[in-house]
Amino acid sequence: DADVTQTPRNRITKTGKRIMLECSQTKGHDRMYWYRQDPGLGLRLIYYSFDVKDINKGEISDGYSVSRQAQAKFSLSLESAIPNQTALYFCATSVPGLAAHEQFFGPGTRLTVL
Amino acid sequence: KNEVEQSPQNLTAQEGEFITINCSYSVGISALHWLQQHPGGGIVSLFMLSSGKKKHGRLIATINIQEKHSSLHITASHPRDSAVYICAVIGNQFYFGTGTSLTVIP
Repeated sequence: DADVTQTPRNRITKTGKRIMLECSQTKGHDRMYWYRQDPGLGLRLIYYSFDVKDINKGEISDGYSVSRQAQAKFSLSLESAIPNQTALYFCATSVPGLAAHEQFFGPGTRLTVL
Repeated sequence: KNEVEQSPQNLTAQEGEFITINCSYSVGISALHWLQQHPGGGIVSLFMLSSGKKKHGRLIATINIQEKHSSLHITASHPRDSAVYICAVIGNQFYFGTGTSLTVIP
């Protein structure tokens, strides 16, 4: 079984709809991250969490919110989806300390907003 | 302004060729990460390094902190190496390159 899972894997929705992307991990890592990837652009950080009570905005947090329900779960919400949020979304985890730089990625969620 | 630049952007090689992908960065870093993204989209960690050189199978990664440069080498390339290779650096935040798309032809 995969250590980092994301649901759904693919989603097509309409402008204005609320969408939640979920991430679960069995690695026991404290740190979790949400990224989006667009063609021709590198991965960009949306939000990150270093533990259940710690939530931080990343480079492109506008239009998104997150919830860290437990150490193993980190959800990303689009309150009112818009077409330029069409992208590939990745969840990642890492451990604290020096090894935190190594991240483990989920399989990605392909989101299309019409 | 891109803090991480990768070259080349696209690379096509014949099976068996030696491949080099370069990564240059402009920020102070504590570590550098090489990632592989498969055609299906999944991202896998290849190496994390902060100095010197690491080797795993046919893959070799080097970093020169003074020159702010890293290279990923693939020896005896194989079609299954076809993927996008992403360089990421960790400074005061994470910075990702846009990736190098590698195609290895049989």
